[in-house]
Formats: sequence, structure tokens, C-alpha cells
Amino acid sequence: GAGVSQSPSNKVTEKGKDVELRCDPISGHTALYWYRQSLGQGLEFLIYFQGNSAPDKSGLPSDRFSAERTGGSVSTLTIQRTQQEDSAVYLCASSWVRQKQETQYFGPGTRLLVL
Amino acid sequence: AQSVTQPDIHITVSEGASLELRCNYSYGATPYLFWYVQSPGQGLQLLLKYFSGDTLVQGIKGFEAEFKRSQSSFNLRKPSVHWSDAAEYFCAARGNAGNMLTFGGGTRLMVKP
Repeated sequence: GAGVSQSPSNKVTEKGKDVELRCDPISGHTALYWYRQSLGQGLEFLIYFQGNSAPDKSGLPSDRFSAERTGGSVSTLTIQRTQQEDSAVYLCASSWVRQKQETQYFGPGTRLLVL
Repeated sequence: AQSVTQPDIHITVSEGASLELRCNYSYGATPYLFWYVQSPGQGLQLLLKYFSGDTLVQGIKGFEAEFKRSQSSFNLRKPSVHWSDAAEYFCAARGNAGNMLTFGGGTRLMVKP
């Protein structure tokens, strides 16, 4: 079946502009995660959605970052007033949470470059 | 604090040689453990996972990993490496209290012909 998809694959923007990154999870998966992969920080958790529960935003690095998940499916990560340090690969993952044996499946990522 | 450590940043092996990538974790209780592989320009692909039970787990592409509680380790192994295994490998853990993964820094594997 179809895996996690993300768009765009690559995004180049100018400092100060806003960007939106999209994630389409695997159909039927109830949980969705955003992670960031950067040279200096490795792979970091950003935000987690599970069903209709309030999202876990504990990993968001600043209030310039926000995310929403509409209809329990597609998610959009928005970065406002981008900075050069926001340049990274943004990875989305989804999973079907069943007890504790949850496995996250990752999309190909969006490579963001802020000039 | 919870953490995952991959001591080797780079490893080079000859094609056909055996491989072991190290992973150590620091958690209050035994976490759930995963290995992912990332090829250049690609996302993360799950190789294998450990939740409980048999401490030797088999994964895709001929990989296996062994959980050793006494050493807080979950090392990845492959008996004979192929050139296509060249990639970056990430060990990850998830505790009982949360759902997010904590990743190690990654090990970049290069394969010599």
C-alpha cells in the first residue's frame, strides 16, 4: 500500500518568509509525528498528533512553528518568519497505536533551505 | 535524561565482510528499540524492532539485532555486507511514558569493493 507522502520534496525560501510543509499519513494510521533532521542537532521530535486528542507540542523549538491535522489525516507544519537555522529535513511519520507495540513509518522528508 | 548513543560516526567495511553497529541507551526502564536506515536523499526505513521476548530479532535485508539488558545495548549485525548497504543507520528508542522516538546520532556505513 501507499506509504507516508510529503510535499514538497524540496523548498527554498528567503529568510523571513513563511512556509508550509504537508504530510499525508498512511491510510488508517491514527498517530502522526513531525521530526526535524539537521546537521547540528540530528533527529529531533517536534510534534505528535493522536486521534482527537490535543497534540503534544513539546518538541517545537519556538512559537514560529505550528502544526495542524485536519480530519485526523493530512497534517501541515507551518514555519513563520523563517530563519537560516530552520534549514533542515523535516520528516513526517505515522503509526497505528495498538497498546504499546507501535511502529512509526516515515515519509521521504521535505528538504528546507532558508537563504 | 533519556538518550540513545551510537558511538561510531563512520564505519567502513569491505563488501562481504561482517558488520556490527553499536547502540547504547539510557532509560529508566527498558525502552522499545528500533533500527532505521536512511539512504542518501531518502526517508527512514524500518529495519527491525524489539518490544519484548526473544532478545535476538530478525529484520529486513538480512539484518539482525541483539538486545542485551545488562549492557543497555541493541547492536545491529549483518553477516555479509553488500555494496547496497551503504547508508546511514539510526538506532531509536521509545519509552513507556511517551510516544516520540529518541534517536542516536547515526552511523554512516561505507562499503569498499
